[in-house]
Amino acid sequence: AQKITQTQPGMFVQEKEAVTLDCTYDTSDPSYGLFWYKQPSSGEMIFLIYQGSYDQQNATEGRYSLNFQKARKSANLVISASQLGDSAMYFCAMRELIRAGANSKLTFGKGITLSVRP
Amino acid sequence: GAGVSQSPSNKVTEKGKDVELRCDPISGHTALYWYRQSLGQGLEFLIYFQGNSAPDKSGLPSDRFSAERTGGSVSTLTIQRTQQEDSAVYLCASSLGVGANVLTFGAGSRLTVL
Repeated sequence: AQKITQTQPGMFVQEKEAVTLDCTYDTSDPSYGLFWYKQPSSGEMIFLIYQGSYDQQNATEGRYSLNFQKARKSANLVISASQLGDSAMYFCAMRELIRAGANSKLTFGKGITLSVRP
Repeated sequence: GAGVSQSPSNKVTEKGKDVELRCDPISGHTALYWYRQSLGQGLEFLIYFQGNSAPDKSGLPSDRFSAERTGGSVSTLTIQRTQQEDSAVYLCASSLGVGANVLTFGAGSRLTVL
């Protein structure tokens, strides 16, 4: 069984500063993928970044980077140079990868609310 | 289509009525997922379809919930004898059925049971 834990209370960051959103996970599968999604107040789920368990380097996508520490089972999202539009709920999610290549369900954490202050 | 399309966007119903929620995935996406999100909460997995394989129904909360996917494309989530605790946003997502692919979500169907 897979489990995602996001325990931070609401996070606040000053505009233009960096912020780290924590995510820990638990799985017995040696092969898995980690995802971060953003959900603004409008409700849509926006994909941000993906990290595979066997990827040698931490994933980066523009201002988003993933601090992947496999031994600690953590996959923290780092947002650099925060913008007002970054205010949203952020969800960490995990999928165990079946060797045959078929998808499996994506398990989400409870999310973290980020507020960016001007 | 260009994105995942869900209808209706909003549904208000009376307790005890049946409702149907529709999802039209991205063309070519073989995997389709239904999630439920209660107010201010995370996403709760309901059901997952992958190609012609038997669906993973492990997240359906009761036998009042069912879903089907016809022709490997459009999916309908049916809730029978709705209860007030069924009130939530129902999100549909689709992805390519190969490897670790990103789920693309629809805008959701907000269900309110009075």
